[in-house]
Amino acid sequence: DIQMTQSPSSLSASVGDRVTITCRASQNIINYVNWYQQKPRKAPKLLIYAASNLQSGVPSRFSGSGSGTDFSLTISSLQPEDFATYFCQQSHTVPWTFGQGTKVEIK
Amino acid sequence: QLQLQESGPGLVKPSETLPLTCTVSGGSIRNDSFYWGWIRQPPGKGLEWIGSIDYSGNTNNNPSLKSRLNMFVDTSKNQFSLKLKSVTGADTAVYYCAVRISVIRGLRQWYYFDYWSQGTLVTVSS
Repeated sequence: DIQMTQSPSSLSASVGDRVTITCRASQNIINYVNWYQQKPRKAPKLLIYAASNLQSGVPSRFSGSGSGTDFSLTISSLQPEDFATYFCQQSHTVPWTFGQGTKVEIK
Repeated sequence: QLQLQESGPGLVKPSETLPLTCTVSGGSIRNDSFYWGWIRQPPGKGLEWIGSIDYSGNTNNNPSLKSRLNMFVDTSKNQFSLKLKSVTGADTAVYYCAVRISVIRGLRQWYYFDYWSQGTLVTVSS
């Protein structure tokens, strides 16, 4: 299985901060990475697909980049509603696998 | 707008079978572009893909669960279901159903999960 390793596992940030979360794949997955946001007791919500494509309706402060094994999700100016847990997921090879999550907390 | 709602028992005894059903509304399950998927999340942990099925019954399964997993579709009810056999405490999780959507550009195809259900907690305990 392809392992997806996120870092950091958690971070504290303030409203307005620029935040970057990274995800490393255990093998080359080209750009087959998706990013999801999950708030407590809610289902995940798709933010980015194919590494850098913003899902319809998602604010433009979210962006994704990377290729090969290293990927990142950036929030350009953190908003109160962005405090949540973020997961990466690879769709290169079955079984689809997720990162362990990065929790973004209020500083 | 597609909406998915899962249903099933909140409590299952160890060694028994866990049945879950996902009902699709706002669209037909008979869609060539979609696979219908299951993902679970143990309490306080990350996400695990279980498997996906199309309306014809073609499946992709997580090999870690394959021997215990059965998935099927009922197009007359616009539902898809799973049965997980011989459950243990490790199967305690919130179970989600979702749509696996594909995006095709040229010769390449990407997949992602969207239209997630709200999730249902299934506890395995005697």
